[in-house]
Amino acid sequence: GIQVEQSPPDLILQEGANSTLRCNFSDSVNNLQWFHQNPWGQLINLFYIPSGTKQNGRLSATTVATERYSLLYISSSQTTDSGVYFCAVLRYGQNFVFGPGTRLSVLP
Amino acid sequence: NAGVTQTPKFQVLKTGQSMTLQCAQDMNHEYMSWYRQDPGMGLRLIHYSVGAGITDQGEVPNGYNVSRSTTEDFPLRLLSAAPSQTSVYFCASSYSRGGGQNEQYFGPGTRLTVT
Repeated sequence: GIQVEQSPPDLILQEGANSTLRCNFSDSVNNLQWFHQNPWGQLINLFYIPSGTKQNGRLSATTVATERYSLLYISSSQTTDSGVYFCAVLRYGQNFVFGPGTRLSVLP
Repeated sequence: NAGVTQTPKFQVLKTGQSMTLQCAQDMNHEYMSWYRQDPGMGLRLIHYSVGAGITDQGEVPNGYNVSRSTTEDFPLRLLSAAPSQTSVYFCASSYSRGGGQNEQYFGPGTRLTVT
């Protein structure tokens, strides 16, 4: 089945810093999503981005489907950005496959 | 829209007890699924359904049963709880299993402890 890798596994930032999280996948996909799991365990949809670039406030994401990777950018990080960031991919007719996540800690 | 709802939020069971975790969605989604998340780990698929009356196994189905009698509801049954089933359970739904606009939405989770 399709393999999903995320890097880095852990990231510690000072408030205000910028960061880039990466998601690599081993085969072509139809869909890709980024999620944020906050410290209370809620899974929050960030982006639905099978290709192209999207922006939502301080967050943006880019997926280069032909090269099988996606990037999540967080600018001017805040303590509320802390948590685990997951990417999940979907091939047509199959189930979503989640990456292992990147754990982000933003220090005040 | 309420989105995806799950009940209960927390549950403690004794080994051998049975229970049903409830999941409902009001978005008329065909595809629904159950995941479990263990500490420090990602999400693993337990069971999924591509429509009413159709269910199938995911990556870790043992010890769990599902049914899908309506589009809206997708309950997960633990037949005889074991400590290894202590986990956080998430229900999710999306329009379909692939192709087209297919964003997946998650419920708030059920934290289950089996003693």
